[in-house]
Amino acid sequence: DQQVKQNSPSLSVQEGRISILNCDYTNSMFDYFLWYKKYPAEGPTFLISISSIKDKNEDGRFTVFLNKSAKHLSLHIVPSQPGDSAVYFCAASAASGTYKYIFGTGTRLKVLA
Amino acid sequence: ETGVTQTPRHLVMGMTNKKSLKCEQHLGHNAMYWYKQSAKKPLELMFVYSLEERVENNSVPSRFSPECPNSSHLFLHLHTLQPEDSALYLCASSQDGGGSYEQYFGPGTRLTVT
Repeated sequence: DQQVKQNSPSLSVQEGRISILNCDYTNSMFDYFLWYKKYPAEGPTFLISISSIKDKNEDGRFTVFLNKSAKHLSLHIVPSQPGDSAVYFCAASAASGTYKYIFGTGTRLKVLA
Repeated sequence: ETGVTQTPRHLVMGMTNKKSLKCEQHLGHNAMYWYKQSAKKPLELMFVYSLEERVENNSVPSRFSPECPNSSHLFLHLHTLQPEDSALYLCASSQDGGGSYEQYFGPGTRLTVT
């Protein structure tokens, strides 16, 4: 059973518009969430994180929103740029006492110029 | 070198071969990880080391054998692999474990078992 789900395998967005990538989780013990970006032939790169004590975290063009009651998080990229084209993974962990990060299957974002 | 490096980047091996994957982190981190990424599947955690001690072994077959001689180096020894073991193997490190530190990944080793 997949505990972290990214139901959209791909997304295309026009340059300058908002990209919204979604992630759902099932384990209510998860309390720390991360987004990673992956370019071809490279390892995933950490993008932004959020703790369950917050419902929003912002870093430049990237904002992550957490809805604990819905067990849902989303990554907003505004404005989207062609260099944002990559695969985006969300990951979750129960921060206390575990080294386990559970990853989603990824969403491929294509930003069209 | 900076960040997390992995060698080799590509490896083709037969089912009777023995080979090793190497990972090195230059970040002063205390925890290191091996992940497997198969096509259309999420990253699967294989092993975790914290301060050179194995703290997680995620039901990985014994044909995969990790080794962590110090906090900067991590190896994955491979022997008698199966074709279904073909995948991208990613190494990562984090400042510490405990699930609240971001991980830094290497570029991966693309393994093909013939």
